[in-house]
Amino acid sequence: KNEVEQSPQNLTAQEGEFITINCSYSVGISALHWLQQHPGGGIVSLFMLSSGKKKHGRLIATINIQEKHSSLHITASHPRDSAVYICAVAVNSGGSNYKLTFGKGTLLTVNP
Amino acid sequence: GAVVSQHPSRVICKSGTSVKIECRSLDFQATTMFWYRQFPKQSLMLMATSNEGSKATYEQGVEKDKFLINHASLTLSTLTVTSAHPEDSSFYICSARDYRASTDTQYFGPGTRLTVL
Repeated sequence: KNEVEQSPQNLTAQEGEFITINCSYSVGISALHWLQQHPGGGIVSLFMLSSGKKKHGRLIATINIQEKHSSLHITASHPRDSAVYICAVAVNSGGSNYKLTFGKGTLLTVNP
Repeated sequence: GAVVSQHPSRVICKSGTSVKIECRSLDFQATTMFWYRQFPKQSLMLMATSNEGSKATYEQGVEKDKFLINHASLTLSTLTVTSAHPEDSSFYICSARDYRASTDTQYFGPGTRLTVL
């Protein structure tokens, strides 16, 4: 079992729909990242969370540390939101060192 | 937000040549930078952790003599793929850790696509 599991693997939505992508992890973490990767590869950091909830524009990320679960929500989805969304957890690897472990990503396609 | 740049964004080279990829933190100092590799339709895989002024720490299965990492300053780390082969063709991504942050804060570069002919 992977340390970081994302669901769904693929998601197709119509423009305007509310999107939810889930991430579950099995290890103790110091932080969780949500990343966006567009075709062509460039990665953009969307959020870094260690507790609670963060909002940026139409994007909302939540994390429940006790349940080891995070969700990324997109409100009023748009075709330009089409991308791969990746969940990554930061795990302490000794002292003040951390390593990221990545989920396999969720491919989101938003149709006009 | 903090910005990390990578150069070049794309490179095509002949088999047997060496390629250098630069990763720069533009508006913060990064004592630690990370190098990742991503094969098509795969997740990112950590190759090595680069610490300023010391030797990089490589993940299991990553050849340190093939993937040379230098972190000579607090804003620059370089990855050199030596004697590149077609199987080294991949997407290479760096991230930089903001040393001022109390929790792990990493900022990602846009990536470098390497194609070895």
